[in-house]
Amino acid sequence: DGGITQSPKYLFRKEGQNVTLSCEQNLNHDAMYWYRQDPGQGLRLIYYSQIVNDFQKGDIAEGYSVSREKKESFPLTVTSAQKNPTAFYLCASRSSGGNTQYFGPGTRLTVL
Amino acid sequence: GEDVEQSLFLSVREGDSSVINCTYTDSSSTYLYWYKQEPGAGLQLLTYIFSNMDMKQDQRLTVLLNKKDKHLSLRIADTQTGDSAIYFCAEEYSSASKIIFGSGTRLSIRP
Repeated sequence: DGGITQSPKYLFRKEGQNVTLSCEQNLNHDAMYWYRQDPGQGLRLIYYSQIVNDFQKGDIAEGYSVSREKKESFPLTVTSAQKNPTAFYLCASRSSGGNTQYFGPGTRLTVL
Repeated sequence: GEDVEQSLFLSVREGDSSVINCTYTDSSSTYLYWYKQEPGAGLQLLTYIFSNMDMKQDQRLTVLLNKKDKHLSLRIADTQTGDSAIYFCAEEYSSASKIIFGSGTRLSIRP
C-alpha cells in the first residue's frame, strides 16, 4: 500500500533526552514536512524539505533538527533545547507540482 | 502576514447542514483546502478549491470561495455522527511553497 508511516504512535521520554521521530513515505514524493499540533491550535510548521539533502526551517524550528538523506525518509529529532516538546507531531508529503499534502497518522510525544 | 482564521466550535443537529467558515489573508493563494481530523489521527484531505473557482461540490460537501472577501466555507449536507471531527481550513502560501493551517473547527453532532 502507498502511504506515509510514522512510528511510534506514542512515545514517552524523560526531560533532557533527545528523541527521534520517524517518517517514511513510499509515494515517491519530493517534498516532506513536519508539523506540531497542540490542543486547540492549528498545525505549526517545524521544518520542510523540497528535495533530498536540502531542508528549510519552518515557523517553530528552534529545538528541533531534521535530515533528508533519502527521498523516502525525513526523521525529526526533538532535542533537549526544545522547551515544551509534549505535543502531537504530524509528518506530510507532497509531489513536486502537486497541490495536496498527504499526512501520516501522527506521533504523540510525551515528555515526563 | 500569513493567517488563517476559523471559529473553534460548531454544534449541529443530526440531519441538518453544517457550515464551517474560514478567512485567510494571502490574496495570491493558489489553492485552499479543507482537511478533516478524527481523534488521535492524522489529517485527511476532504476537498480543495482552486483560487479561480467560486464553488466546488463533491457529494455532500460544497465549498464556496469569495476571493474578494478572502472567505472560504465548507457546507456538509445531511450531517451524520461520523462527521464529528475537527475541520481545518488551509491556504497555499504561494510565495513560500508552504501551506498555512487554521486552528480548526470542532464539529459536534446533536441527536
